[in-house]
Amino acid sequence: SQTIHQWPATLVQPVGSPLSLECTVEGTSNPNLYWYRQAAGRGLQLLFYSVGIGQISSEVPQNLSASRPQDRQFILSSKKLLLSDSGFYLCAWSITGYYEQYFGPGTRLTVT
Amino acid sequence: SQQGEEDPQALSIQEGENATMNCSYKTSINNLQWYRQNSGRGLVHLILIRSNEREKHSGRLRVTLDTSKKSSSLLITASRAADTASYFCATDSTTDSWGKLQFGAGTQVVVTP
Repeated sequence: SQTIHQWPATLVQPVGSPLSLECTVEGTSNPNLYWYRQAAGRGLQLLFYSVGIGQISSEVPQNLSASRPQDRQFILSSKKLLLSDSGFYLCAWSITGYYEQYFGPGTRLTVT
Repeated sequence: SQQGEEDPQALSIQEGENATMNCSYKTSINNLQWYRQNSGRGLVHLILIRSNEREKHSGRLRVTLDTSKKSSSLLITASRAADTASYFCATDSTTDSWGKLQFGAGTQVVVTP
């Protein structure tokens, strides 16, 4: 069966520090991968999605970036965090041809 | 901007009662999905209804879709305390790239024993 992992689970970082969040999927090949951010009490905002290695589409211009160095690995990065980057970051995957998305447990990021 | 908007924002019911929440959206869609999120956790896919379907059932869940009104409803029958969660609708617009979902702000449901 397929599983999706995210780490770390929680993170507290000062403003201006770098960020690296990792997401990996097991049990499937060539998944579509997504990064979302969720503000408190709000819906999900799509940040990046990828349909293959090295193929990244950005939805929101900001100081975040994403990379997909391996088929089932998706990384969210920032060189310098802002206070507004605080939130709950969710990674998800889907199979090409299917609309359902499967989410990881999320990373709670607090920028201080 | 969010494509789907859920109503109500919050719902409090007793165990055994039914819970109904609605979702409205703005553009033409291929399908509409409902997800559940327990506090501090990831989202869990509940059900998908295609644009050419009007009603779908899955266990205690019943989803309807009215494309003429651009709205959907999710009914949870005989609710249980374990149904306490936030529920989100997500739409796949015909004008967007494949696979991109637009999520609403969610309905927070509290089921008390």
